[in-house]
Amino acid sequence: KQEVTQIPAALSVPEGENLVLNCSFTDSAIYNLQWFRQDPGKGLTSLLLIQSSQREQTSGRLNASLDKSSGRSTLYIAASQPGDSATYLCAVVNQAGTALIFGKGTTLSVSS
Amino acid sequence: GAVVSQHPSRVICKSGTSVKIECRSLDFQATTMFWYRQFPKKSLMLMATSNEGSKATYEQGVEKDKFLINHASLTLSTLTVTSAHPEDSSFYICSASSQGGRETQYFGPGTRLLVL
Repeated sequence: KQEVTQIPAALSVPEGENLVLNCSFTDSAIYNLQWFRQDPGKGLTSLLLIQSSQREQTSGRLNASLDKSSGRSTLYIAASQPGDSATYLCAVVNQAGTALIFGKGTTLSVSS
Repeated sequence: GAVVSQHPSRVICKSGTSVKIECRSLDFQATTMFWYRQFPKKSLMLMATSNEGSKATYEQGVEKDKFLINHASLTLSTLTVTSAHPEDSSFYICSASSQGGRETQYFGPGTRLLVL
């Protein structure tokens, strides 16, 4: 059974810092991996989607990498801003499925 | 971009009543819609997958008679929580996909259900 783990559970940084969020998954037979952002009491916003054949994706200050063989992904946020404060969720779709399997998220707080 | 709406955003009901939550894709045809449940500080848990015109596929442990899902059109899916109890209180989120779900899913803003 696929399990997704995110470390750390919470992270507080001062504005301007570069930071890395980690995601690991137990079954490497994935179709894709996605990173989402969730603001308190809100739905999810898709940030980056990495296909299983890809190594990384970039969007603005965000860069996500994927090492499928080791079951790991990282989300790199450059020059963090207070507006980046949110919960970041990692999710995978298995090769044999269609459903997103989520981690518990990392709650990021960026102070000004 | 693709927009998914949910209604209501918040609902409070008495124990034993039924509550209907709507999920709409506003600018695309959603062949597949997903319903998730999220407890505080927990990850989203998939409840069921519904394809337009077909019966929903429920995840293990989800009572199909309690959580009724209807996906009657390409833009609307509904989740009805029947005979709600306090333990059903949660945050319910839907997502929609035009590609069966394996590619990008677009998420609704969620519905906060509180059962008294």
